[in-house]
Amino acid sequence: GIQVEQSPPDLILQEGANSTLRCNFSDSVNNLQWFHQNPWGQLINLFYIPSGTKQNGRLSATTVATERYSLLYISSSQTTDSGVYFCAVDRYNFNKFYFGSGTKLNVKP
Amino acid sequence: DTAVSQTPKYLVTQMGNDKSIKCEQNLGHDTMYWYKQDSKKFLKIMFSYNNKELIINETVPNRFSPKSPDKAHLNLHINSLELGDSAVYFCASSQDLGRTGTNEKLFFGSGTQLSVL
Repeated sequence: GIQVEQSPPDLILQEGANSTLRCNFSDSVNNLQWFHQNPWGQLINLFYIPSGTKQNGRLSATTVATERYSLLYISSSQTTDSGVYFCAVDRYNFNKFYFGSGTKLNVKP
Repeated sequence: DTAVSQTPKYLVTQMGNDKSIKCEQNLGHDTMYWYKQDSKKFLKIMFSYNNKELIINETVPNRFSPKSPDKAHLNLHINSLELGDSAVYFCASSQDLGRTGTNEKLFFGSGTQLSVL
């Protein structure tokens, strides 16, 4: 199966700081999504971004499919951004998403 | 209205018991999934169904049996529970990923934390 690597594994930020999370994948994909798992365990879909750039408030994501990576930018971080961020990919729309191991983010007040 | 809902949220049971987790989605999606999240937060697909038909069975022990009575429901029945089955089980749904031009986002339920004692 496809390998998905996320970095960094852990990240501690002071409130207000900016950060970049990275997702590398080992093969071509035609579906890539970013998720946030909040401290209560709920998985929220942030972006569907197989290529290009999207922005949603303080969050934005960029996927460079030809180079097999995606970046999630968090600006002006808030304590509510804490949790685990996952990248997930699917090849050829096989209904089979492979998840990375996540980046655990802790935003301190 | 909750888009993907699963019950129960917590399930504590003894080894050897049989238990079920139910999942329903009201998004009109064609495809539903079960994912398992282990203690290290790693998410792995177990099953996916498309219009009630099993598409993916990821080498899950046959003690786990999914059932999809219709495309809005996907239940998971687990026989003879073992200690290693303790995990959080997530149901998810998406629009048929084989169709172009559709929203292909994956939506998750809130999870069922299963503890086998």
